[in-house]
Amino acid sequence: GQNIDQPTEMTATEGAIVQINCTYQTSGFNGLFWYQQHAGEAPTFLSYNVLDGLEEKGRFSSFLSRSKGYSYLLLKELQMKDSASYLCAVRDIANDYKLSFGAGTTVTVRA
Amino acid sequence: NAGVMQNPRHLVRRRGQEARLRCSPMKGHSHVYWYRQLPEEGLKFMVYLQKENIIDESGMPKERFSAEFPKEGPSILRIQQVVRGDSAAYFCASSLGPGTGDEQFFGPGTRLTVL
Repeated sequence: GQNIDQPTEMTATEGAIVQINCTYQTSGFNGLFWYQQHAGEAPTFLSYNVLDGLEEKGRFSSFLSRSKGYSYLLLKELQMKDSASYLCAVRDIANDYKLSFGAGTTVTVRA
Repeated sequence: NAGVMQNPRHLVRRRGQEARLRCSPMKGHSHVYWYRQLPEEGLKFMVYLQKENIIDESGMPKERFSAEFPKEGPSILRIQQVVRGDSAAYFCASSLGPGTGDEQFFGPGTRLTVL
């Protein structure tokens, strides 16, 4: 299985930048996903990384280093609506349909 | 284009009763996944189904839990003789099929409370 670690909580100010780190251990890496989940709602897809490097999508970017078992999600120009839980999920090559999720990082954006 | 639908959104059961959770995948998706989320914990994989087939149920408890995805109609997650520890949010996701970059789209979840 996978061990996926991410911080429990982070707080930042509106307009600032926040970086959410995720480390993982897996025998056969086959992709890493970031999801956003507002309280009481469905997780929604943010990004997917399978190769090393940075993927940018507007205010959100995700980085992957396979050799280090490390990813981060970067949220720029924070808005109040970005207050949510951010879930890191890893897929293993042996079971390429199964996502293993971290416990999530709750980000609180303050005015 | 409707997303993944789940019903009911909230379900209250007494210990010993049965809970039935329904999931209709996105249009065109034939792969369904069920996850459970306990408070303060991450989503845990339970079962993966294709139409009429259970592909992987390794994350589902062996007793009291069952899942199906019939040829017609929604996928059903069934919990018999519920206990308080079954209280959780149950999420369904669907996709076009496994493979690199295959994105799973999640439904809004069913929050089960066992009294």
